[in-house]
Amino acid sequence: QKEVEQNSGPLSVPEGAIASLNCTYSDRGSQSFFWYRQYSGKSPELIMFIYSNGDKEDGRFTAQLNKASQYVSLLIRDSQPSDSATYLCASGGYQKVTFGTGTKLQVIP
Amino acid sequence: DAMVIQNPRYQVTQFGKPVTLSCSQTLNHNVMYWYQQKSSQAPKLLFHYYDKDFNNEADTPDNFQSRRPNTSFCFLDIRSPGLGDAAMYLCATSSGPGQPQHFGDGTRLSIL
Repeated sequence: QKEVEQNSGPLSVPEGAIASLNCTYSDRGSQSFFWYRQYSGKSPELIMFIYSNGDKEDGRFTAQLNKASQYVSLLIRDSQPSDSATYLCASGGYQKVTFGTGTKLQVIP
Repeated sequence: DAMVIQNPRYQVTQFGKPVTLSCSQTLNHNVMYWYQQKSSQAPKLLFHYYDKDFNNEADTPDNFQSRRPNTSFCFLDIRSPGLGDAAMYLCATSSGPGQPQHFGDGTRLSIL
């Protein structure tokens, strides 16, 4: 069973701080990795994707991938209350993508 | 704007009464997916199409079927909905396998 594991949270951070979200995956054949943001009652929204080891930055978001450790993370700088949501990590190969159950992030004003 | 559109947003049906959910896309993506998501759970893949090639997940109940009559449209048919089928149903598309998926707003299905 190919799995993606995330701490369900909630992860609480003060406004303006860095939020660090982590994820591990079991399928060593995974080639693509995604972070989605999902507000309560809404559909997932793509935030970041990363294919290679290292860091990828987009605005306030940085995705980090370490294939040797089978570890993916998402850093959110200058966290805002509007960032409060559940963040889904997903890993995929050629056939399909497997989602984690998500980490709930709460940004405290 | 190019997008993935699901209809209806909310669907209420009776136990055992067939229901069809629809998805359309203007992204011209080759791959379309149907997921089921229950509260606090990960989206669960039901099926996906790579062009016209249909791929059914091994644990998708026989009660669930899908059609993709053309590139733009995909349908999810639930033949005899049970109470356990109440969930959010998400349609997603991607330009190819392993590429980022773009989700529609979802259809929330309730069973009476």
